[in-house]
Amino acid sequence: NAGVTQTPKFRVLKTGQSMTLLCAQDMNHEYMYWYRQDPGMGLRLIHYSVGEGTTAKGEVPDGYNVSRLKKQNFLLGLESAAPSQTSVYFCASTPLLGWSIYGYTFGSGTRLTVV
Amino acid sequence: AQSVTQLDSQVPVFEEAPVELRCNYSSSVSVYLFWYVQYPNQGLQLLLKYLSGSTLVKGINGFEAEFNKSQTSFHLRKPSVHISDTAEYFCAVSDQKGAQKLVFGQGTRLTINP
Repeated sequence: NAGVTQTPKFRVLKTGQSMTLLCAQDMNHEYMYWYRQDPGMGLRLIHYSVGEGTTAKGEVPDGYNVSRLKKQNFLLGLESAAPSQTSVYFCASTPLLGWSIYGYTFGSGTRLTVV
Repeated sequence: AQSVTQLDSQVPVFEEAPVELRCNYSSSVSVYLFWYVQYPNQGLQLLLKYLSGSTLVKGINGFEAEFNKSQTSFHLRKPSVHISDTAEYFCAVSDQKGAQKLVFGQGTRLTINP
């Protein structure tokens, strides 16, 4: 049982380059989230999705776009990377029903460095 | 909107000593409260949660937390820590309705010294 899988695990980008981070879950969860983790700031919500074909902005959405064309996948895109986007990115998912009992299931993270 | 403050960014303790990691939250509505643990180079794992009922909740690995509504706190405790408890701990809050978004605190790095 893979749970939540993030690819890639590491990436170095040059300023201005674009990339897409992929999150895949095999638990049939309705809700999916993208967070970024920065030292001393905890995890901050970038975007989230409450179901296939839907997305919504979180706390820090600027510079990112997302898509959820399939229920099991949630993609995070950086159109023009900036050094301020250097961070560790975490994807998480949770079921619609009973989510508070199960909590979020997190992926292992993607460490992105923008130079 | 909710917010979470973890009062200590780092907590060093000796092995087998007790530890308390402090968490305060702010919300105008009823909330669910969570503690997550992040071991080095890993994702976050659910440690324990408060949904309703008894204010003292027990989680995995011998941790427990107490919900105090009047002080808006949810402090995490363990009576005797082990080297394997070295990790970063995050307190999180969510309102009981809506899109199930977790708001995280800044994290507390727990370091266990032998």
